[in-house]
Amino acid sequence: GQQVMQIPQYQHVQEGEDFTTYCNSSTTLSNIQWYKQRPGGHPVFLIQLVKSGEVKKQKRLTFQFGEAKKNSSLHITATQTTDVGTYFCAGIIQGAQKLVFGQGTRLTINP
Amino acid sequence: DTGVSQDPRHKITKRGQNVTFRCDPISEHNRLYWYRQTLGQGPEFLTYFQNEAQLEKSRLLSDRFSAERPKGSFSTLEIQRTEQGDSAMYLCASSAQESPLHFGNGTRLTVT
Repeated sequence: GQQVMQIPQYQHVQEGEDFTTYCNSSTTLSNIQWYKQRPGGHPVFLIQLVKSGEVKKQKRLTFQFGEAKKNSSLHITATQTTDVGTYFCAGIIQGAQKLVFGQGTRLTINP
Repeated sequence: DTGVSQDPRHKITKRGQNVTFRCDPISEHNRLYWYRQTLGQGPEFLTYFQNEAQLEKSRLLSDRFSAERPKGSFSTLEIQRTEQGDSAMYLCASSAQESPLHFGNGTRLTVT
């Protein structure tokens, strides 16, 4: 079954509004990675978080890894039309090697 | 960096036929992954190689699916006796030891 859950499945915002997607795992993760997939494209790596409680920023994007290493979030401040796409979290279950993807959150933006 | 390349980009086949896809990873990457993605879903793990060794294979993968990476470079994914449920985008990705995945553009399979 699905080991990495992501919510919401869809999010529509007005340009300039903030956006957040959440990722949860039933088991502890060694690390969490975030990818973005534009319509018609393939997933492109954004960032990797490894440490408990880690927070990383990339311009308007803020990524967090939970203290228990079972959840993560991606927050985009003041969305722009270039942010459109599907955002996936992906985690490596502790003790395993494969990267398991969440279902993704599809972000659409009204300009 | 020439990136990960996959061939063909599209494949239309009739139910019951066999198909084979090829993936050429980034040359210095020792890990190679195959994923399958259907519309509105995240990539679903199929199998993973480190060099030429196939280290893990999804339990979801039936015996009709087989993958090889004979010399630790390119890889092939074969689906025998295709079914309509096999229609999907097949994504290949490669990585160096613990680094993030670099995906190819995928092979879109349509089984009629």
